[in-house]
Amino acid sequence: NAGVTQTPKFQVLKTGQSMTLQCAQDMNHNSMYWYRQDPGMGLRLIYYSASEGTTDKGEVPNGYNVSRLNKREFSLRLESAAPSQTSVYFCASSVRGGGRGTYGYTFGSGTRLTVV
Amino acid sequence: KQEVTQIPAALSVPEGENLVLNCSFTDSAIYNLQWFRQDPGKGLTSLLLIQSSQREQTSGRLNASLDKSSGRSTLYIAASQPGDSATYLCAVRDTGANNLFFGTGTRLTVIP
Repeated sequence: NAGVTQTPKFQVLKTGQSMTLQCAQDMNHNSMYWYRQDPGMGLRLIYYSASEGTTDKGEVPNGYNVSRLNKREFSLRLESAAPSQTSVYFCASSVRGGGRGTYGYTFGSGTRLTVV
Repeated sequence: KQEVTQIPAALSVPEGENLVLNCSFTDSAIYNLQWFRQDPGKGLTSLLLIQSSQREQTSGRLNASLDKSSGRSTLYIAASQPGDSATYLCAVRDTGANNLFFGTGTRLTVIP
């Protein structure tokens, strides 16, 4: 049981380049999330998908897009990378979203992205 | 907006000591609270999840308590070991929210 798998683990981009971060979970969770972690800021929610077919903005969505490809997969796309997007990106999943359910979150191991 | 604070930001203790990590939150209308561990360069590992109706949860040497009315949670680690060295994160899920609000963590070092 792999849990939440993120690819790639590391990436260096030049300003203006685009890329997609991939995330897949094998726990049959309904909800999936993308967070970024910056020093001194804690983790902040970028986008989430409460269930297959739905996506919503989180706290810091600007410069990102997401796709909930199916129940297992949730991708994060940077269309035109900027140095301010240098961060560690975490994907997470949970059984239910929308403030309901009684289960916690499971996180992937993260993607370290550097934009130069 | 929910604000989560963790104090202290860093803590060093000798091996074998019992210790308490603190987490406070501003809005008591929470659904649950989760404690995570993060090792350097790694992802988050869930340690304990406390529902809003619960007062505490225990797992091995770890005990987490929740006082929702005062907006506080503590993580108690008994008989600390060098392997406990990591950053401990507290996260709160509000009622009706699709988000976890994270504190900035406490970096724990257990000295052999």
